[in-house]
Amino acid sequence: DVKVTQSSRYLVKRTGEKVFLECVQDMDHENMFWYRQDPGLGLRLIYFSYDVKMKEKGDIPEGYSVSREKKERFSLILESASTNQTSMYLCASSPYSGSSYEQYFGPGTRLTVT
Amino acid sequence: DAKTTQPNSMESNEEEPVHLPCNHSTISGTDYIHWYRQLPSQGPEYVIHGLTSNVNNRMASLAIAEDRKSSTLILHRATLRDAAVYYCILRAAGAGNMLTFGGGTRLMVKP
Repeated sequence: DVKVTQSSRYLVKRTGEKVFLECVQDMDHENMFWYRQDPGLGLRLIYFSYDVKMKEKGDIPEGYSVSREKKERFSLILESASTNQTSMYLCASSPYSGSSYEQYFGPGTRLTVT
Repeated sequence: DAKTTQPNSMESNEEEPVHLPCNHSTISGTDYIHWYRQLPSQGPEYVIHGLTSNVNNRMASLAIAEDRKSSTLILHRATLRDAAVYYCILRAAGAGNMLTFGGGTRLMVKP
């Protein structure tokens, strides 16, 4: 089975802290994604990566950066956490396939910024 | 991006079939129709996808209208574990591998 793991299920950080959210997948997938999920707003794409050291902005990249030094690992970085970044963060991966594919999601990290 | 419209919520009785509708009147010829679901406290999981023909897998069936402007996800016998939010998503060809999630339909299953 494909497995996508996230470093923490729950995280509490203070305003201004630098926060790292880690995601690891074990299926040699080329593509990895970071979303945030908020009530009433659904899932929104923050960043995605289609290869090592490659990244593309999603719909809401402001306040975030990412790092992909190894194929299996995709990190989301909050340079200076703010309270409006309190959210559920979901990581996903998918194989590269030109026409049809599926994304595999991790269990999510619920981040609270106080 | 082409958009989808789904009812906010639906109710079903356990062990009965469930038909979850999705309208996508602005779908283009190369858009794939994907369905994902999200169980409580979990990340979304893939359910099924299709382009033009109806599709079946172990989880569900996907019925696509002939004009492709709507589709229906069919759960043949709902169980309590099927209670989730179901998302209908269009994935454009050439859009990379991004998915744009809408609001989805919250399915409640009554015993």
